[in-house]
Amino acid sequence: EVQLVESGGGLVQPGGSLKLSCAASGFTFSGSAMHWVRRASGKGLEWVGRIRTKPNNYATVYAASVTGRFTISRDDSKNMAYLQIDSLKAEDSAIYYCTRPGLHNAFDVWGQGTTVTVSS
Amino acid sequence: QSVLTQPPSASGAPGQGVTISCSGSSSNIGSNYVYWYQQLPGMAPKLLIYRNNQRPSGIPDRFSGSKSGTSASLAINGLRPEDEADYYCAAWDDSLSGSVVFGGGTKLTVL
Repeated sequence: EVQLVESGGGLVQPGGSLKLSCAASGFTFSGSAMHWVRRASGKGLEWVGRIRTKPNNYATVYAASVTGRFTISRDDSKNMAYLQIDSLKAEDSAIYYCTRPGLHNAFDVWGQGTTVTVSS
Repeated sequence: QSVLTQPPSASGAPGQGVTISCSGSSSNIGSNYVYWYQQLPGMAPKLLIYRNNQRPSGIPDRFSGSKSGTSASLAINGLRPEDEADYYCAAWDDSLSGSVVFGGGTKLTVL
C-alpha cells in the first residue's frame, strides 16, 4: 500500500524552529519528487514547496511566502522527506501535508497531516 | 489571496447538480492541466480529477471536469450528503518552475 505519514508537529513559540518528517512506503521513493502543502485554519490549501530526485540534483523550489525560512530535504536511504521551518510566525500555524506527484503529475497520495501551532 | 479563483461556497439539494468554477491565468491553467481535490472535514485532500477531465479509479462518474482557456470547472451531478466537503482546483504554474497553485477552495453544502 502506498502511504505517507507525517510527524513532528507541535506547539512552538514565535521565532522558533521545527522539523517535520514524512515517512514514505509502498513506492519507489527515490524516484519521486516530494511536495509539502499546508492548510491554515479557516483557509484553503497552500503549496509550500518541493524537492526533486537525485538525478535532478535534489533541486528545491518554495512558495514566495516561505522562501528563506523553510527548507525541504530528503534521505532516500530512509524513504524520508523533511520540512525544516525556521523563524516561525503565527501565520505558519497550519496542518502540513506531504504529497507526491504520481500518475499524470497529480498529487495522488497524501499523508494524514501534522499540525503546527505557533503561539506564545 | 489564492492564485486560482474559486467561489467560496456552493450548494445544492440531494439529487441535484452543482458546478464549481476555477479561474487562472496563462501561466497556470492556460498552459497546464487542471486537477481537482476533495477534502472532507478532518481528512486529507483526495484527488478527484486529473488532466482536466480524467477520473482516478474509484471516483464515480457523477464527478466531471472541464477546461477552456484559463478557466476550468468541476461538475457534480446527483448530489449526495457525503459530497459535502471543500473542493480545490490546482495547476502547475510556469511562472515558478516546479510550483503548484491552488484555488482558495469552495465549500459545498448539500442542503
